[in-house]
Amino acid sequence: EAGVTQFPSHSVIEKGQTVTLRCDPISGHDNLYWYRRVMGKEIKFLLHFVKESKQDESGMPNNRFLAERTGGTYSTLKVQPAELEDSGVYFCASSQGLAGVEQYFGPGTRLTVT
Amino acid sequence: QKEVEQNSGPLSVPEGAIASLNCTYSDRGSQSFFWYRQYSGKSPELIMFIYSNGDKEDGRFTAQLNKASQYVSLLIRDSQPSDSATYLCAVETDSWGKFQFGAGTQVVVTP
Repeated sequence: EAGVTQFPSHSVIEKGQTVTLRCDPISGHDNLYWYRRVMGKEIKFLLHFVKESKQDESGMPNNRFLAERTGGTYSTLKVQPAELEDSGVYFCASSQGLAGVEQYFGPGTRLTVT
Repeated sequence: QKEVEQNSGPLSVPEGAIASLNCTYSDRGSQSFFWYRQYSGKSPELIMFIYSNGDKEDGRFTAQLNKASQYVSLLIRDSQPSDSATYLCAVETDSWGKFQFGAGTQVVVTP
């Protein structure tokens, strides 16, 4: 069984540019989560999809971030325009079931905004 | 005040010894607790989860939970160099699976 995959693994962009991160969850997992780790800080929740619907987007920093999950399969996270403080590692996780179950994490996308 | 707190380390442990990692959390309503291990540049992978007060053992790993004290710990027995990694405490804060993480404890097992 393939795990959670993320693309790209690393992205370097200039301030003001746009970047789109992609996450492919484990097949059949309805729940998809995005998290972010800024250097030196803890991993923080961004948002949660159940199938194609946003269940909770309380962790999204601001309206420069847009997440989608068309068809309830893969998800994209777009940052437009990128700012320096958006640099960090963006993790995606998926799970089958909700509370009390393991979330499987992808390898992350390291975003560097210069 | 951080919502999930861990000692950042590094925690240096001789090979064969016991590594003890601690985690405290602020949300008294939290019900599920997870320990993830993360090697540098890799994805976090689940070590153990615990829901009930007391101890839960899985191989060389033991998780301990005390909800009254809002404290969860992880013991690694017979530590091996391959256990050198960052250990993340994750607290599930709602019924939709939303995790709050601690900053992680770096463990270094020395031969």
